[in-house]
Amino acid sequence: DAGVIQSPRHEVTEMGQEVTLRCKPISGHDYLFWYRQTMMRGLELLIYFNNNVPIDDSGMPEDRFSAKMPNASFSTLKIQPSEPRDSAVYFCASSPGLAGDKEQYFGPGTRLTVT
Amino acid sequence: SQQGEEDPQALSIQEGENATMNCSYKTSINNLQWYRQNSGRGLVHLILIRSNEREKHSGRLRVTLDTSKKSSSLLITASRAADTASYFCATVRADRGSTLGRLYFGRGTQLTVWP
Repeated sequence: DAGVIQSPRHEVTEMGQEVTLRCKPISGHDYLFWYRQTMMRGLELLIYFNNNVPIDDSGMPEDRFSAKMPNASFSTLKIQPSEPRDSAVYFCASSPGLAGDKEQYFGPGTRLTVT
Repeated sequence: SQQGEEDPQALSIQEGENATMNCSYKTSINNLQWYRQNSGRGLVHLILIRSNEREKHSGRLRVTLDTSKKSSSLLITASRAADTASYFCATVRADRGSTLGRLYFGRGTQLTVWP
């Protein structure tokens, strides 16, 4: 298996533009997580899905952020409009079965820079 | 919100020495996991220890868990330069207010092993 795949790996955009981050989880994994990592705040959980259904989106910073999982093999995280404070590394992770009892597999991340 | 707090924040040792990192947490847990992150990469799962376990080994890694003190430690024996990375503890909380399936990460310990 190729592992969790994220695209793009790097994204540089101007303030106000829409940004879409993509994730392909490991086949057969029922849970998908989106995280954001910054020096100031560390690793933050934004949202996670179970069987394509959002379970906990309490970490989504504000309405500018939205996430979808239209099928078991694809998820997107969208920021519209983007702001410089959104600059961070965004990770997608997936997990088999009950995530609380299993390890999570992380993708390589998308480094987002908003100027 | 973060659950674990790693200590120390940074650790610098010579190859061949042992490295010990500690993690403290606040609420009761189902399990505790340790992850490693190399610079510019995603997190990689190292080891999971359940709340009813006290110690676990995996190669050069030894993890202990003391639920009465709400703390865990990760020991890397005979460290190598390739062990240089950030190490995170993450907990699965057992309290009713937590969301099933999510991990709560600490801020990490940056380990540097000098050749």
